[in-house]
Amino acid sequence: GAVVSQHPSWVICKSGTSVKIECRSLDFQATTMFWYRQFPKQSLMLMATSNEGSKATYEQGVEKDKFLINHASLTLSTLTVTSAHPEDSSFYICSARVDRITDTQYFGPGTRLTVL
Amino acid sequence: AQKVTQAQTEISVVEKEDVTLDCVYETRDTTYYLFWYKQPPSGELVFLIRRNSFDEQNEISGRYSWNFQKSTSSFNFTITASQVVDSAVYFCALSGSGPGNQFYFGTGTSLTVIP
Repeated sequence: GAVVSQHPSWVICKSGTSVKIECRSLDFQATTMFWYRQFPKQSLMLMATSNEGSKATYEQGVEKDKFLINHASLTLSTLTVTSAHPEDSSFYICSARVDRITDTQYFGPGTRLTVL
Repeated sequence: AQKVTQAQTEISVVEKEDVTLDCVYETRDTTYYLFWYKQPPSGELVFLIRRNSFDEQNEISGRYSWNFQKSTSSFNFTITASQVVDSAVYFCALSGSGPGNQFYFGTGTSLTVIP
């Protein structure tokens, strides 16, 4: 099946620093990747849709200058949380869509970010 | 508007009992897809099933079965003879036919199977 990896799986950083999270599709090419945020015991909230070679499309209320997304290749998308603050602490999950026909999204294992 | 409702927030069952997780959706699209994902305590979402709007056949996969009824806009998920390993949060999701094919997730149902 389609496998999506994320790195790192967890990270602790100081307030004001930037953190980069990588999302890779390991055995398929993903033209579209998605970034979600999940708070404890809540559902997934879509942050942005990332298309290879073009700018990401951000959901309403998501600061694009704070959450930088780069989709440089068909197998890699990165999310950079800039100038992180404690309120950015969350579980960040990426997913990759195999193709538009099946539309199934396969999810990475998630990255738990804690900002001190 | 696209919306997925999972009215059951938490469910507890004793091992070997059957349990049904409800999912009700709203969409104006004629072509859409419905999904179920499992999120165990480790956090990773595991794909369980995809169903398109033109296929109302129920599906069975081992102890799992799904009942899709367009007339009631429901896509319910039943686990037969539940096991402790089934304990997880289960999400129902809807994908439309719009340009972004965005996923709309329900709020999830936390299932605890008691040994």
